[in-house]
Amino acid sequence: AQKVTQAQTEISVVEKEDVTLDCVYETRDTTYYLFWYKQPPSGELVFLIRRNSFDEQNEISGRYSWNFQKSTSSFNFTITASQVVDSAVYFCALSGPGANNLFFGTGTRLTVIP
Amino acid sequence: EAGVAQSPRYKIIEKRQSVAFWCNPISGHATLYWYQQILGQGPKLLIQFQNNGVVDDSQLPKDRFSAERLKGVDSTLKIQPAKLEDSAVYLCASSLVPSGGAADTQYFGPGTRLTVL
Repeated sequence: AQKVTQAQTEISVVEKEDVTLDCVYETRDTTYYLFWYKQPPSGELVFLIRRNSFDEQNEISGRYSWNFQKSTSSFNFTITASQVVDSAVYFCALSGPGANNLFFGTGTRLTVIP
Repeated sequence: EAGVAQSPRYKIIEKRQSVAFWCNPISGHATLYWYQQILGQGPKLLIQFQNNGVVDDSQLPKDRFSAERLKGVDSTLKIQPAKLEDSAVYLCASSLVPSGGAADTQYFGPGTRLTVL
């Protein structure tokens, strides 16, 4: 069974601080895909990153970085020098091979205080 | 490129009434999904279409929910009759690669917020 756990329900940081959002997943598949989505107050889910299980390289995109560790079944997301516009709910999601059903975590609400 | 379009954005109905939501996916996307997102939770898949055929509707409460994707483009999700617990945001998403291949990225619309009184 697929499961995604985001233990942090809410996080508040002051602008320019770094923040890490945790994601732990469970799956029996050897091939799987991990995603992060951002949901701002407008409600639309915005795609941030997709990573397959065979690629454990960490990725950096501007102020965003992702740390994928298969040994601990984690796919954590770090925002460096946070900004007010980063305030949103962030979801981690998991998909199996050849099946596009996304299993979402419960989300982490990030509030960046100016 | 236009994103996934959904309408209406908001809907308020009384319990036992009917409601329908519309979704227009990104042009050329073969796969379309409907998700239900209850407040404070992550989205949960209701139904997945590939072109105009159903791939997965195992989580769809078929006694009251129905969905169709005629001509393999637009889709409509209907609830009849609505219950209080159907209050949620209904999200439509689409992806380019048909199911059966590698999992492709799903792009989401703005959602329809349904309130059942």
